[in-house]
Amino acid sequence: GDSVTQMEGPVTLSEEAFLTINCTYTATGYPSLFWYVQYPGEGLQLLLKATKADDKGSNKGFEATYRKETTSFHLEKGSVQVSDSAVYFCALSYAGGTSYGKLTFGQGTILTVHP
Amino acid sequence: EAGVVQSPRYKIIEKKQPVAFWCNPISGHNTLYWYLQNLGQGPELLIRYENEEAVDDSQLPKDRFSAERLKGVDSTLKIQPAELGDSAVYLCASSLLRGYEQFFGPGTRLTVL
Repeated sequence: GDSVTQMEGPVTLSEEAFLTINCTYTATGYPSLFWYVQYPGEGLQLLLKATKADDKGSNKGFEATYRKETTSFHLEKGSVQVSDSAVYFCALSYAGGTSYGKLTFGQGTILTVHP
Repeated sequence: EAGVVQSPRYKIIEKKQPVAFWCNPISGHNTLYWYLQNLGQGPELLIRYENEEAVDDSQLPKDRFSAERLKGVDSTLKIQPAELGDSAVYLCASSLLRGYEQFFGPGTRLTVL
C-alpha cells in the first residue's frame, strides 16, 4: 500500500536558519504530493502541492520539488521565522481511481524556531 | 468565510461511556471527512461522505463507531462504548468536491480515562 515517511523530529532551529524536512513516499501509482502545516490550536492547512514529477510547489517562502526518481518531496525554506513554528505533514493523494482524493499522511515533524 | 467548525474542542470521559463529536463543514462543500490522529502520528481517514452518503468507511471500526451526515451538511461521529485506546484527536475536513483541496477543522481532543 501507499505510505509516507518523514524525518524524525522535533527540529529546532534559530531564526533565519535554513530548513529542510525530508519526506519520502511509497506509491502504487502516480500521486500528487502535499505539505500541510498545523499551527498550535488550529486545523491543518495546505501549504503547497505538486501534481507531477519535477513540479515545484511553493508558498510563503517554502518550496518542495516532486522527485520521482528518489520518491521524495523534501520541504525547504531559506530563512525560517519564529512564526514558522508548527507541525508539518507530508501527504499524497491520487487524482483518480478508487483512492481518488484520499490523503495519506506522514507522521508529522515538529518545528520550533527560536529568536 | 467561516472555516470548518468542530465541537467540543476537548472531551474527557470514563471508559465505556459514549461520546459524540460534531462537525459543521464549510458552506457548499459536498464532501466531508472524519480523520483520527493519534499522538505523534499523521491523520488517518475514518470515513468520507459525499452529500449524505458514506462512500468510504472501510477504516471505521463499526463495532463501536458510527457516523451520520443528515441532510448532507453537519455530521456527527459517535463512539459507544469508548475504550482507553480511543484517546486521540478527531479531525473533520471538508472539500467542495471529492479530490478538491480539503479544509480541516481544529479537531476534538478526546481523553478516555
